[in-house]
Amino acid sequence: DGGITQSPKYLFRKEGQNVTLSCEQNLNHDAMYWYRQDPGQGLRLIYYSQIVNDFQKGDIAEGYSVSREKKESFPLTVTSAQKNPTAFYLCASSNGHPGLAEGRNTQYFGPGTRLTVL
Amino acid sequence: SQQGEEDPQALSIQEGENATMNCSYKTSINNLQWYRQNSGRGLVHLILIRSNEREKHSGRLRVTLDTSKKSSSLLITASRAADTASYFCATDGRPTPGGSYIPTFGRGTSLIVHP
Repeated sequence: DGGITQSPKYLFRKEGQNVTLSCEQNLNHDAMYWYRQDPGQGLRLIYYSQIVNDFQKGDIAEGYSVSREKKESFPLTVTSAQKNPTAFYLCASSNGHPGLAEGRNTQYFGPGTRLTVL
Repeated sequence: SQQGEEDPQALSIQEGENATMNCSYKTSINNLQWYRQNSGRGLVHLILIRSNEREKHSGRLRVTLDTSKKSSSLLITASRAADTASYFCATDGRPTPGGSYIPTFGRGTSLIVHP
């Protein structure tokens, strides 16, 4: 899973609670991303950060919040405002620099966190 | 943002056979990527093909790109049971202020290789 760790692997939450999913990378990548994956679906972008102390909303940001205080860390908080939070959450990072043979937008993914709301 | 669409949605083959999956997209791209996802795991980057390339190989993987038809194919030769996974194509999606793109992923092809 390429130097990106996510914890916990499984997370259970009661309705009305906020929970925070951890994502850490040691690849020295500038950019980090959070995706949500539902069964049989592609990945939907929640938030992304191109640089420390800056982040942007993705396609489904409502009910989620993030922070990027350190280059290595990009935690995602699923708030009680998220109406259907049960899903598989994936964190990714990319180098983002031009001229790479692998492509500046090639992403490296963590192992994921499966969140279940009880 | 545009999205690649994989076809077929599911593919079931016997070990040793070749597996071909396709990806179609809507607008011009700079490059196209293929990723693999084992059940319950993160995605792993397999191969990137640039818009000026027509074919690329990596081990048992062969990727083609036809920009005139806005399509790509991923061929896995001599498949193994360990190739069982979902395969996603990703195309240029959301542009960023830095000039790169956040890939947009399709829904994937689920491949099952029977021993």
